[in-house]
Amino acid sequence: LAKTTQPISMDSYEGQEVNITCSHNNIATNDYITWYQQFPSQGPRFIIQGYKTKVTNEVASLFIPADRKSSTLSLPRVSLSDTAVYYCLVVGDNAGNMLTFGGGTRLMVKP
Amino acid sequence: EAGVVQSPRYKIIEKKQPVAFWCNPISGHNTLYWYLQNLGQGPELLIRYENEEAVDDSQLPKDRFSAERLKGVDSTLKIQPAELGDSAVYLCASSLEAGTSESGELFFGEGSRLTVL
Repeated sequence: LAKTTQPISMDSYEGQEVNITCSHNNIATNDYITWYQQFPSQGPRFIIQGYKTKVTNEVASLFIPADRKSSTLSLPRVSLSDTAVYYCLVVGDNAGNMLTFGGGTRLMVKP
Repeated sequence: EAGVVQSPRYKIIEKKQPVAFWCNPISGHNTLYWYLQNLGQGPELLIRYENEEAVDDSQLPKDRFSAERLKGVDSTLKIQPAELGDSAVYLCASSLEAGTSESGELFFGEGSRLTVL
């Protein structure tokens, strides 16, 4: 299983763009990159998933370079409600998929 | 559409007592997961089901933990007897069948917070 490494915490201010980078050096050819968001006292919530290049949805963008050994979650114009823990996962598209969560990045958005 | 439903939300018990958690996944989701989450840490997988079959239970402490998913829908996770170190949040999640491009999207319940005194 591909191990992921991401910063333990980040601070930002309302209205700023936040970029959280995750490294996954031993990602396999068929693996996808998935990001989750978790608020206190709630289960994680799926944000975005990608394989390569760029993926964008109504919540975030995901940038994946050609070598796919890292990925960057971009949150445009964050608000206080974006304060949460963000998890990067590498998901194997096979029966052995375990969806291993790491420690995540604690994002604190300040007014 | 209803999400993943878990109960109870909170449970306080004394050590050595038994406890059980229940999970109802999203309709049509064949894969069901039980995770344990300690304070300040990411969720850790305990067991994964594909329909009725437990396909990965390598992280489940089988001396005191057990799980079942009869009929491939609802699932229960049991701890007997509970220990102080079992205090944590127990999360249930479901997804479409593993092996699809959408299998990376898990839908989590709100969790069951266990406190063992």
